[in-house]
Amino acid sequence: GNSVTQMEGPVTLSEEAFLTINCTYTATGYPSLFWYVQYPGEGLQLLLKATKADDKGSNKGFEATYRKETTSFHLEKGSVQVSDSAVYFCALEVVSGGGADGLTFGKGTHLIIQP
Amino acid sequence: NAGVTQTPKFQVLKTGQSMTLQCAQDMNHEYMSWYRQDPGMGLRLIHYSVGAGITDQGEVPNGYNVSRSTTEDFPLRLLSAAPSQTSVYFCASSSAEYQETQYFGPGTRLLVL
Repeated sequence: GNSVTQMEGPVTLSEEAFLTINCTYTATGYPSLFWYVQYPGEGLQLLLKATKADDKGSNKGFEATYRKETTSFHLEKGSVQVSDSAVYFCALEVVSGGGADGLTFGKGTHLIIQP
Repeated sequence: NAGVTQTPKFQVLKTGQSMTLQCAQDMNHEYMSWYRQDPGMGLRLIHYSVGAGITDQGEVPNGYNVSRSTTEDFPLRLLSAAPSQTSVYFCASSSAEYQETQYFGPGTRLLVL
């Protein structure tokens, strides 16, 4: 089946530090990969996505590269801000002959940025 | 443009009671889905719909029913609530079935006693 593994945290960093949140996946087909972010008390928002191998998704200073050879989609940001404090979810979507079966999510990584 | 709206925001039920969680979107999206979020579990797909009149089961469908009579609305029904259904429920919609951004509602927090 399909699964996503990510570091659960909490991950605590100081402002302006470099961020990496690891995400690896197992998929039965050719997945599209996503990072979603959830701010306190809110629903999830798409942060970035990549739909094929070697694609790089980027948004708001965050980046992630779809690495098929290592089945990974690690999230990075060069200099984090307090406003980046949130829960980050890695997710995949596989399309088969019957269509897509929705998103498969990792358990989420709670990121805390201290001033 | 309100996006995806969910009601109620919070609900307390007793075991065995029934209720309907409402979800509506005003983006004319064909694809809608329901997820539940539990601590340490991420989000898991309950049911989804690729258009009006079409629904299908996700990973954890037991105890839930859905229907899709219009493009805009996708209600989730709990027929006989159980404590195991205590969770936060999110509705999502997208313009296509795959590779498109899912837009999530703000969630409904459900407590079953």
